[in-house]
Amino acid sequence: DIVLTQSPALAVSLGQRATISCKTNQNVDYYGNSYMHWYQQKPGQQPKLLIYLASNLASGIPARFSGRGSGTDFTLTIDPVEADDTATYYCQQSRNLRTFGGGTKLELK
Amino acid sequence: EVQLVESGGGLVQPGASLKLSCVASGFTFSDYWMSWVRQTPGKTMEWIGDIKYDGSYTNYAPSLKNRFTISRDNAKSTLYLQMSNVRSEDTATYYCTRYGSYGVMDAWGQGASVTVSS
Repeated sequence: DIVLTQSPALAVSLGQRATISCKTNQNVDYYGNSYMHWYQQKPGQQPKLLIYLASNLASGIPARFSGRGSGTDFTLTIDPVEADDTATYYCQQSRNLRTFGGGTKLELK
Repeated sequence: EVQLVESGGGLVQPGASLKLSCVASGFTFSDYWMSWVRQTPGKTMEWIGDIKYDGSYTNYAPSLKNRFTISRDNAKSTLYLQMSNVRSEDTATYYCTRYGSYGVMDAWGQGASVTVSS
């Protein structure tokens, strides 16, 4: 199994930058793509795709969200953070079957 | 608008069986791989498995493949999850998802809640 590890929580002030990390125990790169994706889940809602293949913005997602990384280390950045961004963020790999990280809950200071 | 609507959840006794459905609309269902994902009360997300667009191939999480079966009826634009011999640890919200390219879950249903308890 590919295991994804995220920090459980992060507190950031409005207008500042939030950086959420996801580390894997195996390389998720394959033929030039990193099979890592990010989702946002607000309370009481289903998850929503934010970033696919590590750095590609999904349709309709504001440019405040960005992703980077390769191999086993990935980050999701929100800059600047808005009040509506309070949510839990999950990384997910599709290199070998599918697994999710434990989620990082983003809160405002 | 892409829509996925799950149904069939509820309270079920340990050892029983349950079948969830997911009706798709707003896209050509038979063109897409689909999957099921569950989220425990503690918010852990677990991929259950997926099914090819024509129903000819399935993958499962190793820990679940012996009890869960995914199927689809393209004529009805419906995805199914058959759960057997359910346990308390199967208590979760079950989501159906659509796969875009590269195994990305680009659409999610609102979820169906399943509680396993006597």
